[in-house]
Amino acid sequence: KQEVTQIPAALSVPEGENLVLNCSFTDSAIYNLQWFRQDPGKGLTSLLLIQSSQREQTSGRLNASLDKSSGRSTLYIAASQPGDSATYLCAVSSADRGSTLGRLYFGRGTQLTVWP
Amino acid sequence: DAGVTQSPTHLIKTRGQQVTLRCSPKSGHDTVSWYQQALGQGPQFIFQYYEEEERQRGNFPDRFSGHQFPNYSSELNVNALLLGDSALYLCASSLGDRGRRNEQFFGPGTRLTVL
Repeated sequence: KQEVTQIPAALSVPEGENLVLNCSFTDSAIYNLQWFRQDPGKGLTSLLLIQSSQREQTSGRLNASLDKSSGRSTLYIAASQPGDSATYLCAVSSADRGSTLGRLYFGRGTQLTVWP
Repeated sequence: DAGVTQSPTHLIKTRGQQVTLRCSPKSGHDTVSWYQQALGQGPQFIFQYYEEEERQRGNFPDRFSGHQFPNYSSELNVNALLLGDSALYLCASSLGDRGRRNEQFFGPGTRLTVL
């Protein structure tokens, strides 16, 4: 069974810092990996998706890398801002294009607070 | 282009009651998945619907059931509610097997409180 772990569980930093959020998964046979942002009590907003054949994806101040063989992904946030405060969730989907395609396995998230 | 929509936004029920949650997928998507997110936890997969059939199911009891309609919208039904069913229920849509990227798009969720 796939298990996803995110470290750290919480992070509090001053505005302007560069951040690294970590995600690890136990089964390297993944189809893709998604990073999501979740504001309190709200739904999930997709930030980046990395296919299993890719090494990284970038969107604005966000960069996500994937090392499938070691079961790790990193989300890098440059020049953090108070508006980045949220919970960041990592999720992987299985490589089996049969019954498990589309099912996401989530970590518990990293709760980020950026203070002015 | 409307994203994934869910209704209602909030719901309060008492133990033993039944509840129905609704989801409309993103335009052009044909696959709907449901997740349960307890406070402080990551979302847990309940089940997925494609072509009006349940394709796969997570580790949830039979009290949780669903349905997908010909227009791809979906319902989640929970019978005999327990206090532990209190959670945020999230719906996600995707292109299923036609979507190479298999990117999942989530709705705003329904907050269910069981008293």
